[in-house]
Amino acid sequence: GDSVTQMEGPVTLSEEAFLTINCTYTATGYPSLFWYVQYPGEGLQLLLKATKADDKGSNKGFEATYRKETTSFHLEKGSVQVSDSAVYFCALSDYGGATNKLIFGTGTLLAVQP
Amino acid sequence: DTAVSQTPKYLVTQMGNDKSIKCEQNLGHDTMYWYKQDSKKFLKIMFSYNNKELIINETVPNRFSPKSPDKAHLNLHINSLELGDSAVYFCASSQDDRFLAGADTQYFGPGTRLTVL
Repeated sequence: GDSVTQMEGPVTLSEEAFLTINCTYTATGYPSLFWYVQYPGEGLQLLLKATKADDKGSNKGFEATYRKETTSFHLEKGSVQVSDSAVYFCALSDYGGATNKLIFGTGTLLAVQP
Repeated sequence: DTAVSQTPKYLVTQMGNDKSIKCEQNLGHDTMYWYKQDSKKFLKIMFSYNNKELIINETVPNRFSPKSPDKAHLNLHINSLELGDSAVYFCASSQDDRFLAGADTQYFGPGTRLTVL
């Protein structure tokens, strides 16, 4: 079945450092890909998404490119802030023809230190 | 103006009890979901409903029974609670435009932390 693999955390960075969180996927069809973020004690928020190969999703300085050839959707940010500390989830949509379900990676905890 | 709301936020109960979690969305979406997040933060879908009709049931024990009185509400009832049911339960909704074929964004509620003692 479809699956998502993302790098284990925690990832600890200093403020203004460059961030990469790796995400690869396995899918039989052509899924859409998502990054969700979960701040402490809160629900999940969509960070960005890409719906087809070579699409780049971007939001709040974060970006990720849908790479079909490497089945990857790595999350990057050029300069992280303390407020970016959260758990980041990579996900793909498994569309069954009637409704879609999200298949999530295990989440990566990012801790940014001042 | 909460888009997806859940009640209660915290639920602490004894093994063997029956409990319900309620979810409401005011986004006008057609599809609603329940996800379970375990202690390691892993998220897995449990159910989805489209216009009050059950679409996805991911081999969840039949102690869990979702109920959708209308397309804006999806409640989760759990019978005979077990220790392993302790988790955070998230409700979500999406428009599910068939032309987008899975590209719809799912909007999540704040979660309900269930602790079974």
